[in-house]
Formats: sequence, C-alpha cells, structure tokens
Amino acid sequence: NAGVMQNPRHLVRRRGQEARLRCSPMKGHSHVYWYRQLPEEGLKFMVYLQKENIIDESGMPKERFSAEFPKEGPSILRIQQVVRGDSAAYFCASSPRRLAGGSSTDTQYFGPGTRLTVL
Amino acid sequence: GENVEQHPSTLSVQEGDSAVIKCTYSDSASNYFPWYKQELGKRPQLIIDIRSNVGEKKDQRIAVTLNKTAKHFSLHITETQPEDSAVYFCAALGGSNYKLTFGKGTLLTVNP
Repeated sequence: NAGVMQNPRHLVRRRGQEARLRCSPMKGHSHVYWYRQLPEEGLKFMVYLQKENIIDESGMPKERFSAEFPKEGPSILRIQQVVRGDSAAYFCASSPRRLAGGSSTDTQYFGPGTRLTVL
Repeated sequence: GENVEQHPSTLSVQEGDSAVIKCTYSDSASNYFPWYKQELGKRPQLIIDIRSNVGEKKDQRIAVTLNKTAKHFSLHITETQPEDSAVYFCAALGGSNYKLTFGKGTLLTVNP
C-alpha cells in the first residue's frame, strides 16, 4: 500500500509564474488536507477537501491560491503569480474518513512534501 | 479557533537521558492529540497519539500524557538515542474536527 505521494518534490518558479502541486492520497483515502510549512515553523492548515468538494479553505489566502480534488486524479494546489513569500514546503495529508477524536482510530498520514522556491 | 503552544523550542540531552516536550491548547472541545517527528527534509511521521478518553499512552520508549482539565499534554522519550534527534511537533484536533493545529516544534538533539 503506497503512502501519500506528492510531486514534484522540488519546484522552482520565478515571480509571477504559476505553481501546481500534486497530491495522491493513500489508497482508500478520500480526505485530503494541505499544509504549508515555513522554515523553522510548524505546519499551518490551508485547506481540507473531499472528493469533488472543498470542505474548509479558511487557511488558504483568498487570492492566487486554489485547490481541487477531482473525482479522478490527484488533488491539486495551485498558486498563481507566485511571490517570494510563497517559498515554503507544502505538505498534503490524507485520511480514510473525516479526522475525528473520541472513539475514532483514524489519523492523518503525510506525504513527502513539495519544496517550492520562488526566485 | 484552536491555539497550540509548544515548549521548549530546542532541547539538548545526553544519550540515555529522558526528554520531555510540553504542549498546551486552548479549545476545551479538542479530543485528539498526535505527535509527529520530522527529520530534516523529510515528511512529518506520526509517532504516537492520544485521544480524550485516555490519560496516558505508552509505546516502548515513548509515552504521552494528557491532562484535559489543565489543557496540556506532554511527550516523554526515555533512554534517548542519537537517532531520536529531530523536530517534534504536537498537534490538537479542535472541536470542529478534521483541522489539526500544530505547535511550532521542538528541535531535539541527542548528544552521543
């Protein structure tokens, strides 16, 4: 059972270009979460998606950033007109069901991340 | 929303000693608390988690304790080894569920 896959692992873009980050969840997982990690910082929640639905995008900047999780294919995090401040590691995670506490045994599994560098 | 504070930000111990990392959270409805280990350039990996229906959980050299009244939880690593050196993150799942809020991390260095 392959883990969460992300590609590319490293992405270099010049200011103003577009960045597309892909995430394939673990087999059987239909819930995807995107996080951003700045150097020496924790992970910041960006967006939570289920297949074909954005459930919560409260952590994602309203401009230039968008995310999707189509019926077929990977989840995509898209950053338009990148700026130097977008340079970070972007991690996605997946879970089989909506993450919950209590008697649930589910957890989130992280992908290897995409390290975006904006020149 | 949930706020998670993690201390210390750096921790250096001698091999064989114990290490303790502490986190506090703000949302009293939080009910799931995972700990992740992240080595340089790698993905965060779950090492242990605890849910609100238990107060302590142990897995070999790693243990986590939870005090819901005080809203804090701690990671304990005993008999530390150099390969334990990494950044450790605590997280809390708020009452809304699905959204993990992470602490800023603790850089643990185990000196041989």
